[in-house]
Amino acid sequence: DTGVSQNPRHKITKRGQNVTFRCDPISEHNRLYWYRQTLGQGPEFLTYFQNEAQLEKSRLLSDRFSAERPKGSFSTLEIQRTEQGDSAMYLCASKGGRGVRETQYFGPGTRLLVL
Amino acid sequence: AQSVTQLDSQVPVFEEAPVELRCNYSSSVSVYLFWYVQYPNQGLQLLLKYLSGSTLVKGINGFEAEFNKSQTSFHLRKPSVHISDTAEYFCAAGNSGGSNYKLTFGKGTLLTVNP
Repeated sequence: DTGVSQNPRHKITKRGQNVTFRCDPISEHNRLYWYRQTLGQGPEFLTYFQNEAQLEKSRLLSDRFSAERPKGSFSTLEIQRTEQGDSAMYLCASKGGRGVRETQYFGPGTRLLVL
Repeated sequence: AQSVTQLDSQVPVFEEAPVELRCNYSSSVSVYLFWYVQYPNQGLQLLLKYLSGSTLVKGINGFEAEFNKSQTSFHLRKPSVHISDTAEYFCAAGNSGGSNYKLTFGKGTLLTVNP
């Protein structure tokens, strides 16, 4: 069990550029979550996958954001035309099992800075 | 909809002193409750969780929390803290109504343990 991994760990970009983040969940975990954490705040839910299906999206996820999990394993989160307000830590979590009793395990996050 | 309130944004304590980090929640449905810890530049690590049963929950690193349904609280306690406990602590709630719950987090409490 290597844990949830996220790449890159840090990303600095200029306003208007596109960025893509990757999350590799714990092997065989079928549920994957994306959260966003801004400075001084707790993480906020963005979206959720069960296998390859995206089952829920937050209103925080504007049309500039898109997430995929094409083969039900790793996931990508893309932000198009980045804005300074997108600067945040983007956290990925995965959960296995069939019930609610299983824990969400978080990755180390990708810290995005938009200049 | 549910919300989580962490009543203290910062809690400074001296080493070996007891500490309590307060968390209140509101929800129209039954919830599961969690405490996560976040060290600088890292993801979230689960300390403990309440799903059902005994209202006193013990977690890692000597932490425990008590679920109080009448007061809608889930305060985190440790009888004697160490310097290494310095970190940000997040209380979170998940809707127990299904297996695909997302977590709603509080804003966090920064625990600073001084020598």
